[in-house]
Amino acid sequence: DIVMTQSPDSLAVSLGERATINCKSSQSVLYSSDNKSYLAWYQQKPGQPPKLLIYWASTRESGVPDRFSGSGSGTDFTLTISSLQAEDVAVYYCQQHYTTPQTFGGGTKVEIK
Amino acid sequence: EVQLVQSGAEVKKPGESLKISCKGSGYSFPSHWIGWVRQMPGKGLEWMGIIFPTDSDTRYSPSFQGQVTISADKSISTAYLQWSSLRASDSAMYYCARSGGGTSFDHWGQGTLVTVSS
Repeated sequence: DIVMTQSPDSLAVSLGERATINCKSSQSVLYSSDNKSYLAWYQQKPGQPPKLLIYWASTRESGVPDRFSGSGSGTDFTLTISSLQAEDVAVYYCQQHYTTPQTFGGGTKVEIK
Repeated sequence: EVQLVQSGAEVKKPGESLKISCKGSGYSFPSHWIGWVRQMPGKGLEWMGIIFPTDSDTRYSPSFQGQVTISADKSISTAYLQWSSLRASDSAMYYCARSGGGTSFDHWGQGTLVTVSS
């Protein structure tokens, strides 16, 4: 299985400031035939199912605010929230959707400082 | 509008069997993989397995292979997750989710809470 490692486990950021979450895969999730990294980011708020934010490492899902951006390729990825809003308090997960089993990272809890 | 509606919460005893469901609507159900994800209380997301309703091609995580059975009935746009003999450690929230064009999970069900207790 591909192991996904997120860091940090939690972070507290002031409103309007930048939040950065990292995700590392134990092997490359770059598909050579289309040059896309099969890495997704999800947001989960308490009592709700996860919500897809980003797929293919940097493609924003329809309706997701542009303050959310994804970057990286191969094995190292980053989710950035450019200006944290109160409604962004949640746990964020990365997932490789390159091969089955499509493993998740352990999650990063984002709070307001 | 794409929707995945899951069956309601269940309370079971150890050793009992269970089958929970996930009904899709608003899209061509046979054409998209449907996956199941476990979330134990206060913990992260665990990918259990995935099924393609057109031909019932199913892939399991090694962690769940042999522990659960995933199935689908494309005629009624419904996927299932079942246990033959529940354990207390199966107590969790279970989500179904649709695999979108990018193969990530673009739509999720509301979750089914399973509680196994004597």
